[in-house]
Amino acid sequence: DSGVTQTPKHLITATGQRVTLRCSPRSGDLSVYWYQQSLDQGLQFLIQYYNGEERAKGNILERFSAQQFPDLHSELNLSSLELGDSALYFCASSVGELGNQPQHFGDGTRLSIL
Amino acid sequence: AQTVTQSQPEMSVQEAETVTLSCTYDTSESDYYLFWYKQPPSRQMILVIRQEAYKQQNATENRFSVNFQKAAKSFSLKISDSQLGDAAMYFCAYRPRGGQGGSEKLVFGKGTKLTVNP
Repeated sequence: DSGVTQTPKHLITATGQRVTLRCSPRSGDLSVYWYQQSLDQGLQFLIQYYNGEERAKGNILERFSAQQFPDLHSELNLSSLELGDSALYFCASSVGELGNQPQHFGDGTRLSIL
Repeated sequence: AQTVTQSQPEMSVQEAETVTLSCTYDTSESDYYLFWYKQPPSRQMILVIRQEAYKQQNATENRFSVNFQKAAKSFSLKISDSQLGDAAMYFCAYRPRGGQGGSEKLVFGKGTKLTVNP
């Protein structure tokens, strides 16, 4: 158990809909990272928050947004969903932002768009 | 931009044997970290081993060890005495040193699927 909790584990929805994925980081971790894992693109970084502030964006679509709340949990919002958004979405957390601080991953949310 | 390449989409090994998974990366940085993550069918991402670029000594964690060749930008994973539970996707990942206000995200390779035959 990594200590990172992601809900829901599986989400099935239709094109055009909006969903929210939730992540609770490990106790004491201030950084939260979101990654998307798809068959064609592999594992790609989406966005990072540190202590409530957005720190970096990767290949995140404009239809996607995220935030980190004062209690440090984070939510990833995906809107106007398309078939290509079907993927496994991981949240990871680390104590800080330094490279030697390991990122611990949650079990992921499997998003299926029908 | 940093890139990570895993040239072996699939590998197989006999139980109790040794297997080596390859990884190369490209960066202009001199200080960084390298990781191997394991993703079993349960889809969890599990940290296997990590290497700090400024350390010449290769990292070892029980049956897992790395061969880090900084000049060649190569970072291979050796699994000794392979077990059935080692069957998984293995991802090589790069992460900058950090501490300069930037995001130190992980950059992943495409992965190598390891099959362990009984």
